[in-house]
Amino acid sequence: DQQVKQNSPSLSVQEGRISILNCDYTNSMFDYFLWYKKYPAEGPTFLISISSIKDKNEDGRFTVFLNKSAKHLSLHIVPSQPGDSAVYFCAASGTGTASKLTFGTGTRLQVTL
Amino acid sequence: DSGVTQTPKHLITATGQRVTLRCSPRSGDLSVYWYQQSLDQGLQFLIQYYNGEERAKGNILERFSAQQFPDLHSELNLSSLELGDSALYFCASSVDGGVNTEAFFGQGTRLTVV
Repeated sequence: DQQVKQNSPSLSVQEGRISILNCDYTNSMFDYFLWYKKYPAEGPTFLISISSIKDKNEDGRFTVFLNKSAKHLSLHIVPSQPGDSAVYFCAASGTGTASKLTFGTGTRLQVTL
Repeated sequence: DSGVTQTPKHLITATGQRVTLRCSPRSGDLSVYWYQQSLDQGLQFLIQYYNGEERAKGNILERFSAQQFPDLHSELNLSSLELGDSALYFCASSVDGGVNTEAFFGQGTRLTVV
């Protein structure tokens, strides 16, 4: 049962344009959401997070949007840079049975020149 | 550098064998998580420890076990290894293992079972 889903396994975006990565979740107990970035042969690196009391969190070129009613979040990267090419994982945690950090399957972003 | 240290980085072993993966969390972090990433798969949660006690369990096989020691380092033991156990195994740590905290990952141990 995949409680955190990233339905797009890959995404290609031109340098300078916006990258939008999507994530859906099913467990209503999740109330904290995170994005991680992973380069090959390295561990995932924390990028940005959002609490369920907010609908938007911004950090430089990265913005995460949360739509609780739709159980959907997205990561926007503007402008996209070649160094952003990596696999991006959405993750969620919450209380009770949702207390562990649950990851999606990842979206491979390629930023082209 | 996340501050989480995993050893060894690579491990090659034969089917039926047993291995131990080691993780040292960031200084001050009380919670340790173990994840498995098979080829082209997402990160599958295995188990979480907080201050020496098991806190949450995921899809961890009975052939696998883990523990967190008083000095907070953790070990993941994999026994009766099968070819399908070949994967990247990541350890992560967080301050308290509760909600609203991010976890920091080590670089992983790549296990190859031949």
